[in-house]
Amino acid sequence: QLQLQESGPGLVKPSETLSLTCTVSGGSITSGTYYWGWIRQPPGKGLEWIGGVYYSGSTYYNPSLTSRVTISVDTSKNQFSLKLNSVTAADTAVYYCARHKIVVGAPSFDPWGQGTLVTVSS
Amino acid sequence: QSVLTQPPSVSGAPGQRVTISCTGSSFDIGAGYDVHWYQQLPGTAPKLLISGNSNRPSGVPDRFSGSKSGTSASLAISGLQAEDEADYYCQSYHNSLSAYVFGTGTKVTVL
Repeated sequence: QLQLQESGPGLVKPSETLSLTCTVSGGSITSGTYYWGWIRQPPGKGLEWIGGVYYSGSTYYNPSLTSRVTISVDTSKNQFSLKLNSVTAADTAVYYCARHKIVVGAPSFDPWGQGTLVTVSS
Repeated sequence: QSVLTQPPSVSGAPGQRVTISCTGSSFDIGAGYDVHWYQQLPGTAPKLLISGNSNRPSGVPDRFSGSKSGTSASLAISGLQAEDEADYYCQSYHNSLSAYVFGTGTKVTVL
């Protein structure tokens, strides 16, 4: 059974870079039919798609965040990572990693990691 | 960036049927993109409930059903149970924003 697990600092200072890693277990990140993505949820609010990566390193980002986001993959560790720079309090959220199939249009996200809360505060 | 609109809350007594609407536009649902639904139990990650407008993944009870028409989609829960208390989100793709988009979310309360 495929499982995803987020890890990284729970507290980041304003203007610094948020860095998270998602470790995939129970399956290979090099499966050719899936993208690996990040989604966030501010406390008490809705979900926002951040972006994703293919095992080859090809990436795609939400245009609203693209200037600050970098997503990368490490196939040797079966992991992919998120970096969000110049963070502000508005970036405080639970960050989830999730998998989705490569389809034209709107794929579904499944499964999801359990999520990790990142707070931006000095 | 929630461009899909859902009612903030719906409620029903155990055993009743409730429906949640997801209203989009000609740039997302109306453009023919699939709609998916997620259930988020308190303090947990979202879980895929309905994929491709109306398909239930393995393990999802048949009390849950989805449909899509025009620029909107709906999730129905029949035979409402206490364990169905959760937040529900729809999701699709918006071709003008070039982004996967989620609905505003609906809290289901079992009375």
